[in-house]
Amino acid sequence: GDSVTQMEGPVTLSEEAFLTINCTYTATGYPSLFWYVQYPGEGLQLLLKATKADDKGSNKGFEATYRKETTSFHLEKGSVQVSDSAVYFCALSSGTSGSARQLTFGSGTQLTVLP
Amino acid sequence: NAGVTQTPKFQVLKTGQSMTLQCAQDMNHEYMSWYRQDPGMGLRLIHYSVGAGITDQGEVPNGYNVSRSTTEDFPLRLLSAAPSQTSVYFCASSPRGGANTGELFFGEGSRLTVL
Repeated sequence: GDSVTQMEGPVTLSEEAFLTINCTYTATGYPSLFWYVQYPGEGLQLLLKATKADDKGSNKGFEATYRKETTSFHLEKGSVQVSDSAVYFCALSSGTSGSARQLTFGSGTQLTVLP
Repeated sequence: NAGVTQTPKFQVLKTGQSMTLQCAQDMNHEYMSWYRQDPGMGLRLIHYSVGAGITDQGEVPNGYNVSRSTTEDFPLRLLSAAPSQTSVYFCASSPRGGANTGELFFGEGSRLTVL
């Protein structure tokens, strides 16, 4: 079945540091890939997505590139801020139209950014 | 702009008690789902619905019932709570068909403790 593996946390960085959170996946067919973010006390919200190989999703300074050859979708940000402190989830959907019906989530990575 | 509303936000139950977690959305989304979030395990799908009158099981359905009598509401019922059901529960929705971009819209979560 489908699965998503994220780097284990927690991750602690200083403000303005470079961030990478690794994500690899196993899926049949051609999944759509997502990064969701969960701020303290809130539900998850979509951060970015990519629907086909070599697509780059980007939002709020975060980027991730869909790498089919390495089955990866690593999240990066060049300069993190304290406000980026949150839990980040990598997810995939193997529906043929990017359907959200069967999202498979990774275990989440807690990021703390110190001033 | 209510979006997805979950109630209650916190609940403590004793083993064997029953309760219902409420979920309502005002975006006219056809698809609704329930996830549970446990430490180190990400989000796991409990049940989902693709429209009024239609429900199906996800990855971890045992101990939970759902129904979908209207487009707006998707309650999750615990008939006889067990300590293993201590978790944070999230309701999520999305449109279907051409409007579906693969994004799920989440509620703020309901934290349930079973003693």
